[in-house]
This record gives sequence, C-alpha cells and structure tokens, in this order.
Amino acid sequence: DTEVTQTPKHLVMGMTNKKSLKCEQHMGHRAMYWYKQKAKKPPELMFVYSYEKLSINESVPSRFSPECPNSSLLNLHLHALQPEDSALYLCASSQDTDRGRQPQHFGDGTRLSIL
Amino acid sequence: GNSVTQMEGPVTLSEEAFLTINCTYTATGYPSLFWYVQYPGEGLQLLLKATKADDKGSNKGFEATYRKETTSFHLEKGSVQVSDSAVYFCALSRQGAQKLVFGQGTRLTINP
Repeated sequence: DTEVTQTPKHLVMGMTNKKSLKCEQHMGHRAMYWYKQKAKKPPELMFVYSYEKLSINESVPSRFSPECPNSSLLNLHLHALQPEDSALYLCASSQDTDRGRQPQHFGDGTRLSIL
Repeated sequence: GNSVTQMEGPVTLSEEAFLTINCTYTATGYPSLFWYVQYPGEGLQLLLKATKADDKGSNKGFEATYRKETTSFHLEKGSVQVSDSAVYFCALSRQGAQKLVFGQGTRLTINP
C-alpha cells in the first residue's frame, strides 16, 4: 500500500470535458509534485508545490491547472486536453524541497485516456 | 547538466540468477542517488538510496554503492525471483534542488 493516494485510478474523457485528478498524503510532507509518464519512459516533472505554493512549472500547457488547497491535498484540473495527453499521471510528495537528499514518495497514478 | 545513464534493457534472467543493472551519472557537487522500482500497473516505489560517497543502500536483497570515483550506482541482487520482474529507474537529486533526474529505466523479466 502506498502512502500517497491518487483518485481516480482510471479516467477516460473527451477533448471538451473538464475533470480533476486528486492526490492526498498524510505523512506531513510539505512538498508535492505532479509527473506525467508515457509508456516505457521515465516520469517527466510537471509541477512542484512547496509549502502550498507553486514553485516549479515545467512549461506545462495551460490546459493543465494545478491546485494545492492545503498541505495534504494536490489537485490537477484538466480542460480541453489533446489525445497526446493520454498518459499515467503520478503524484509524489517529500518532506520538503530544501534538501534534495530526501526521497520522493509516489502514488500509483491515474491512467488518463483522451478520446 | 545533470544526467543519469542506465544500461539498456530489456534484461531477462532465470530465477536465482545474479543481477546487475548499471547506472552512471553526471552531476555537479554531491548528488543523492536513488533506485526506484515500478511494478506493472503501479507507481514508483523507492527501493534504496545513498546520500554520500561510499554509502551502500540496501533493501529486499538489493544493494547499490555510491562510487564517486567512477560516478556509478550499480544495482545488484544475488538471487532474483520472479516477483522482481519490474522496471527499475536510477535517479539523482542535488542538494537544494527540487527535481529528480531519472535514467531511462531498465525493464527486468525473471523467468521461473
């Protein structure tokens, strides 16, 4: 069992839909991350939140909108996605971002399919 | 820049064989090094880590030693099991950095 919980596990949506991915952790971590992973590739960083503030946006298209309502929750709002956005979306958390020596803990991901 | 290079897969072994997955890195300063494992249909799990030169990380029979002189962090296991079949990612992070730098991943299949 992972300590980072992501919902839903699977999502199929049309290009005009609006949906949200959710991530929750109760380890007291103050840094949270969104990654995108395509098949047979390593995860690609999308966003980093540090103490509930967005600290890194890796030039992600605006059709992806992150939100961190509190220190335990991280959302990714999706709107007008493209077929190439189909992928596994992973959430991760770590104690903080000040020290790179701390490992990141990953959830099991949301597998997103865009029709 | 910072980068991680893993041996290309896929790697196929028989049960109880010895495993080595090579990982070398390029980084400024003294990065922390990690091995993550991804089982089918799951996210990444931290397998082991090392934060300074000559540190040995170990978990579930897997080991890796941080070798600064060769900039390597090779993953080894003395006797693999079918349940070890997964994709293995080597990664680094630098102190003060917010990013994990991943290798391309190595798919491991263990046959009974």
